[in-house]
Amino acid sequence: EVQLVESGGGLVKPGGSLRLSCATSGFTLGDAWMTWVRQAPGKGLAWVGRIKSNGDGGTIDYAAPVQGRFIISRDDSQKTLYLQMNSVKIEDTGVYFCSARGRDYYGDSGDYRVLDFWGPGTLVTVSS
Amino acid sequence: SELTQPPSVSVSPGQTATITCSGDALSKEYSYWYRQYPGQAPFMIIYKDTERPSGIPGRISGSLSGTTVTLTISDVQAEDEADYYCRSADSSGDSVLFGGGTKLTVL
Repeated sequence: EVQLVESGGGLVKPGGSLRLSCATSGFTLGDAWMTWVRQAPGKGLAWVGRIKSNGDGGTIDYAAPVQGRFIISRDDSQKTLYLQMNSVKIEDTGVYFCSARGRDYYGDSGDYRVLDFWGPGTLVTVSS
Repeated sequence: SELTQPPSVSVSPGQTATITCSGDALSKEYSYWYRQYPGQAPFMIIYKDTERPSGIPGRISGSLSGTTVTLTISDVQAEDEADYYCRSADSSGDSVLFGGGTKLTVL
């Protein structure tokens, strides 16, 4: 069974730092595209960033609002995804979700099903 | 590049709900639909524009026309009341886009 569990959220002052973790089980972390998504209170989903699978180069991309402040990393041996949040701002407040995406290939024509799993999220509050 | 959804849709039980998502990226990149109940994580209900994950009922379907994708929920039930989000990628494929979300109310 695939499981993702985020941790590390809490209260942090503007300008401070926080590291979120996403513990995974039930799949090979390095084979998945891992994404961080956040949701401000009462608002919609917002993409934070993503790290591709090792097979797809492990490339990391970030949303413009967090580029240069947040860092995504992955420890395949610990089966854990991280989000290092630096120079946090009030607008970084919200629930942070990690998600895993993979492909289940079938048949001979390269068709695949998309597998998509999410953790329950962890709340980050940026306030003085 | 962005994805545009109506903020709200209301339907009576047994009727059909349609939620649209528009954006230039949709003509080039696959779309995905998510359902989210209050206080819970989202979960995928449509992928690759029209495909349903296992466990998602057949009364939920997706379609694509040009730069608009549509989520259709037939025979709407109380359990369908939730927020719905479309997702895709920008033209470079390097950024993930989410629509603003649509709140489906079952009257």
